[in-house]
Amino acid sequence: DAGITQSPRHKVTETGTPVTLRCHQTENHRYMYWYRQDPGHGLRLIHYSYGVKDTDKGEVSDGYSVSRSKTEDFLLTLESATSSQTSVYFCAAAGQGWTEAFFGQGTRLTVV
Amino acid sequence: AQSVTQLGSHVSVSEGALVLLRCNYSSSVPPYLFWYVQYPNQGLQLLLKYTSAATLVKGINGFEAEFKKSETSFHLTKPSAHMSDAAEYFCAVRQAGGYNKLIFGAGTRLAVHP
Repeated sequence: DAGITQSPRHKVTETGTPVTLRCHQTENHRYMYWYRQDPGHGLRLIHYSYGVKDTDKGEVSDGYSVSRSKTEDFLLTLESATSSQTSVYFCAAAGQGWTEAFFGQGTRLTVV
Repeated sequence: AQSVTQLGSHVSVSEGALVLLRCNYSSSVPPYLFWYVQYPNQGLQLLLKYTSAATLVKGINGFEAEFKKSETSFHLTKPSAHMSDAAEYFCAVRQAGGYNKLIFGAGTRLAVHP
């Protein structure tokens, strides 16, 4: 996992509550990414960052926000969780001019 | 925008048979291409990557892939399947410029039967 840690690994939450997932990396990678994985869709990019306080939207960003106040941490927030956000979430990180992205072990989120 | 298409969401082979997983990409600039494998309830592991050097790329576990620019393809092969190869495989393309986004295909689930 090249020093990528996601927390929590599993979470069950109720519809309408806010949820924050954390991605922590120890390699000082510049780029960080949040994906969601759903059957038949592969991994879809939610948000990404290439530096502290520098973030942008991916292809499925509605209902999600991110923050990166430190190089090592990239937080994903579901502002008001919905059942459609039940998914497995993966964080990835990569260095400058990267030829490989490193992935965390994933967070399984269930919204009931 | 760059995109990836994986033909066949499910592929089934016999143990010892050839494995062929198909990937086509679209890109307006020379891409970097990747194959990742995901075993049940695990994260993603890099199998191999093409980064504009040799067009035939060898990876871990006996897998290889060939970059064919004229066909915009990057198919994954293994001469002889093993039961332990059963997993989901993802092809991905790195989008050049800006944030260097990594775009994935929908995945192919490989089943290996005795």
